[in-house]
Amino acid sequence: GENVEQHPSTLSVQEGDSAVIKCTYSDSASNYFPWYKQELGKGPQLIIDIRSNVGEKKDQRIAVTLNKTAKHFSLHITETQPEDSAVYFCAASDSGGSNYKLTFGKGTLLTVNP
Amino acid sequence: DAGITQSPRHKVTETGTPVTLRCHQTENHRYMYWYRQDPGHGLRLIHYSYGVKDTDKGEVSDGYSVSRSKTEDFLLTLESATSSQTSVYFCAISVEGGNTEAFFGQGTRLTVV
Repeated sequence: GENVEQHPSTLSVQEGDSAVIKCTYSDSASNYFPWYKQELGKGPQLIIDIRSNVGEKKDQRIAVTLNKTAKHFSLHITETQPEDSAVYFCAASDSGGSNYKLTFGKGTLLTVNP
Repeated sequence: DAGITQSPRHKVTETGTPVTLRCHQTENHRYMYWYRQDPGHGLRLIHYSYGVKDTDKGEVSDGYSVSRSKTEDFLLTLESATSSQTSVYFCAISVEGGNTEAFFGQGTRLTVV
């Protein structure tokens, strides 16, 4: 099955700085890579995703890049704001069998200091 | 929020007792999932369902069973709760399995004493 590694586990930045979270995956057949944000006391919510036929995707201050050859993908947040403070999870589709499920990284606690 | 309701939201139970958590959706999505979230471990898949009465194990399925008798409900049962099952449990749904967005419920905090 798929294995997803996520780094760093914690990240502290000053407001206005950029934040980068990196993930690697093991299954070269995985083709869908979402990122989720989890605020305290809530369930994770999708913030951006990318498919294997695309190298980069942007949505305002958030971008994701994918390197299929190296099997890694990254989340970039620019001009960070205190409300960006949360736990972020990367995930990769599990291609074993019928693509039924996602495998998640262990998460990154991002703290944006005012 | 997607139409996902988890119940109960909080529960304290004693070791050895059976516990059932319920996930109810109003989206008519085919796929439903149960995850547990623990510090240092992220989200780990317990069981999932790809249709009514179609279920399969995830990476941490020992000590858990599930049932899905209708599209909208996915039940997670701890047959005999242990302290290691103290966790926050999340239900999720998706339209097309692992290749599409998963929508998560608000979570159930379970404490086994």
